Amino acid sequence: NAGVTQTPKFQVLKTGQSMTLQCAQDMNHEYMSWYRQDPGMGLRLIHYSVGAGITDQGEVPNGYNVSRSTTEDFPLRLLSAAPSQTSVYFCASSSRPGDRDYGYTFGSGTRLTVV
Amino acid sequence: AQRVTQPEKLLSVFKGAPVELKCNYSYSGSPELFWYVQYSRQRLQLLLRHISRESIKGFTADLNKGETSFHLKKPFAQEEDSAMYYCALGEDSSYKLIFGSGTRLLVRP
Repeated sequence: NAGVTQTPKFQVLKTGQSMTLQCAQDMNHEYMSWYRQDPGMGLRLIHYSVGAGITDQGEVPNGYNVSRSTTEDFPLRLLSAAPSQTSVYFCASSSRPGDRDYGYTFGSGTRLTVV
Repeated sequence: AQRVTQPEKLLSVFKGAPVELKCNYSYSGSPELFWYVQYSRQRLQLLLRHISRESIKGFTADLNKGETSFHLKKPFAQEEDSAMYYCALGEDSSYKLIFGSGTRLLVRP
């Protein structure tokens, strides 16, 4: 049981380039989300999805797009990378609130640097 | 608005000393509270859920609805407890998880 898998682990982009961060989970979780982690700011929600075909914006969505075509996958697209998007990105998934094992499972993160 | 506050950026204690990491929340509904731990450059791991009332690695946390707090405690800190600790609030109306800014715990020998 792999849990939540993120790729790549590291990435360097030039300003203006685009890329997709991949996230996949094998726990049949309905809910998936993307966070960015910056020093002193904790984790901030970028986008989330409550099921295939359903996505919504979080706290800091600008510059990012998501889609959820399957339950397993939730890729995050950077449309035109900016230095302000230099961060560590975490994908997470969870079962329903109220489920016995409710709780978020996180991926290992993608460390992105935009130069 | 929903908010999670961790007032201490850094907490430094000596090995064997008691530890209390503070967490206060603001939420009008019925919250689910969590503590997550992140060891150096690793993924976040679930440490505690308030509903399960477990004790993991010697840590406990009690939800105090009157004070809107969910402080994390351990009676005797160990060096391996050094890590970043995040308090998080799960909304009962959605799946969203709102994080505090985190507290770095440093346990000195």
